[in-house]
Amino acid sequence: NAGVTQTPKFRVLKTGQSMTLLCAQDMNHEYMYWYRQDPGMGLRLIHYSVGEGTTAKGEVPDGYNVSRLKKQNFLLGLESAAPSQTSVYFCASRAGISYNEQFFGPGTRLTVL
Amino acid sequence: KNEVEQSPQNLTAQEGEFITINCSYSVGISALHWLQQHPGGGIVSLFMLSSGKKKHGRLIATINIQEKHSSLHITASHPRDSAVYICAVRSNTDKLIFGTGTRLQVFP
Repeated sequence: NAGVTQTPKFRVLKTGQSMTLLCAQDMNHEYMYWYRQDPGMGLRLIHYSVGEGTTAKGEVPDGYNVSRLKKQNFLLGLESAAPSQTSVYFCASRAGISYNEQFFGPGTRLTVL
Repeated sequence: KNEVEQSPQNLTAQEGEFITINCSYSVGISALHWLQQHPGGGIVSLFMLSSGKKKHGRLIATINIQEKHSSLHITASHPRDSAVYICAVRSNTDKLIFGTGTRLQVFP
């Protein structure tokens, strides 16, 4: 039982490059989230999903896209990376609306040059 | 003003000291979480509270719903407790709102 895993752990991109971050959970959770963590700020929600095939915008969605084709996976895409997207990205999952606890992945440290 | 405020932002302590981290919030909530993040590491859940007090080992978390305030206490602190402690609240609109964290360093 791995919980929430994220791939990759680290990545360096050049401005304008694209990439996809993968989040996987093996707890059969309905809800999945992508956050970014920046110095001096609390975690901010980028996009979330309340079930397979659904996605919704969070607080800071611009420049990112997501997909939830399979229940266990939640992908975060950067189509044209910008230095402002340098951050640590965390994925999280939650069983459902009646459950308050969220489980976090180990994080992906992304640097955009 | 942030909806979740933590204090202090930074805290240093000597091994063995009693530590308190505070969290105040301004929204209606269904639960409050205390999270721990080690340097370069992931985020783990320490406590989830909706009322009263919980204890795990040397860690104690309390919440006062009327005053919209929670505290995290660490008794007999140890260098391995050095981490960032994050308070987060589940709002009544089902949003998880995070504080900016308290960076704790415990020196031997």
